[in-house]
Amino acid sequence: DAGVTQSPTHLIKTRGQHVTLRCSPISGHKSVSWYQQVLGQGPQFIFQYYEKEERGRGNFPDRFSARQFPNYSSELNVNALLLGDSALYLCASSLRGDTEAFFGQGTRLTVV
Amino acid sequence: AQSVTQLDSQVPVFEEAPVELRCNYSSSVSVYLFWYVQYPNQGLQLLLKYLSGSTLVKGINGFEAEFNKSQTSFHLRKPSVHISDTAEYFCAVRIIQGAQKLVFGQGTRLTINP
Repeated sequence: DAGVTQSPTHLIKTRGQHVTLRCSPISGHKSVSWYQQVLGQGPQFIFQYYEKEERGRGNFPDRFSARQFPNYSSELNVNALLLGDSALYLCASSLRGDTEAFFGQGTRLTVV
Repeated sequence: AQSVTQLDSQVPVFEEAPVELRCNYSSSVSVYLFWYVQYPNQGLQLLLKYLSGSTLVKGINGFEAEFNKSQTSFHLRKPSVHISDTAEYFCAVRIIQGAQKLVFGQGTRLTINP
């Protein structure tokens, strides 16, 4: 069975640009969450979506947005990139919003 | 709000020695507790979880953890480590009711020396 897949695996962007990260959950999973992991730190919660509705939002600026599609895949968008946005972005999926979360391999974003 | 403190940023041990990775949490409401492992350049893999019931929880790869409510701790242990256990370990909590927001500690880097 395919796990949580994220794309791309790596990318490099310039300050001020926009980026879109993608996540496909495990088949049958309806909840997707996004986390930011800065080097040397634990992951920080950004968003949770369940059944295409936002169910939770972490302490991130409005430059960060996300959405979930009818097939339950999800996109994380970040506008006006800053150097501090350089991190590993992790996506996690679960059957429902309250069950065990399975993580993808992450997208490594470098802002230069 | 919830918070998680992992008391050791790095733990070096020799192969086949026992290890304990310490985790304390703070929360005004009941929480679920988790330990995740992260190998280099990979995502997070669940090692074990405490939801309810027995306070001693067994997980994958020979790891176990004990939930201590009075000390708000959830320490991870393994009686004999292997080189392949070298990784970053994260303790996390999630409130029982509400959004699936995991709150992670800063991580403990476990290094196994031959």
